[in-house]
Amino acid sequence: KNEVEQSPQNLTAQEGEFITINCSYSVGISALHWLQQHPGGGIVSLFMLSSGKKKHGRLIATINIQEKHSSLHITASHPRDSAVYICAVSGGINTDKLIFGTGTRLQVFP
Amino acid sequence: GAGVSQTPSNKVTEKGKYVELRCDPISGHTALYWYRQSLGQGPEFLIYFQGTGAADDSGLPNDRFFAVRPEGSVSTLKIQRTERGDSAVYLCASSSGGAGNTIYFGEGSWLTVV
Repeated sequence: KNEVEQSPQNLTAQEGEFITINCSYSVGISALHWLQQHPGGGIVSLFMLSSGKKKHGRLIATINIQEKHSSLHITASHPRDSAVYICAVSGGINTDKLIFGTGTRLQVFP
Repeated sequence: GAGVSQTPSNKVTEKGKYVELRCDPISGHTALYWYRQSLGQGPEFLIYFQGTGAADDSGLPNDRFFAVRPEGSVSTLKIQRTERGDSAVYLCASSSGGAGNTIYFGEGSWLTVV
C-alpha cells in the first residue's frame, strides 16, 4: 500500500462543475502539499497545509489531521484547469523531502 | 535566476553511456532535491542536499547514480552505465531549507535511454 493515496486517478468534468480530489496518507507529516503538473513536466505548488483550510481563487484545500485526509476542491472548473494534481506529504523534522501520490489526471471539457 | 533551471531539457543517450543532468536552484535556497518520475507515476525521491552536503541519499536506486553540489548552489546528477530503465523525467526542486517551506520545481530533464 502506498503511503500517499489519491482518488480518483482520472476525472473528467464539464466546464463549470465543482471538482473534488481526495488524498489519504498513512505516515506522520509536518505538512501536506497540493501540486499541479501540466504536460511537459513542470510542477507548481498550489498549497501547503498543516491544518485547517486554505483558499486561492477558485481552489480550496482542506486537511483533517486526525483522519489523515485532505481534499482539493475546484469551484467553477474551466478547461485551463486540466492538468495532473498531485498530493505530497513531508514528514521530516528538518527537511521538505516529499512523498508523492500518483496524481489525479483532470480533464475539463468546454 | 527567477526559478529553478534544469538542463538539458531533453536527453537521448545510448545504453551504457554516462549522463549528467544539471540543476540551478533559486538563488539563496539552501535545500535542493532530486526526484525521478516515470511515465504515469508520481515523482520518487532520489537525494536531498542541505548546503553542500547530501543530507539524505536514501532514494538513489544503486551505485550508478551519484549527485554533487560542491558550492552549495548548482547540483549535478550523474548516471553511469545508463540502462533503459533509467528513462524518466528527472525533477529538481529547491526550498529555503528546514521544513514547512514552499517548494519550487524545475521543468525537469527528460532522459531517454535507447
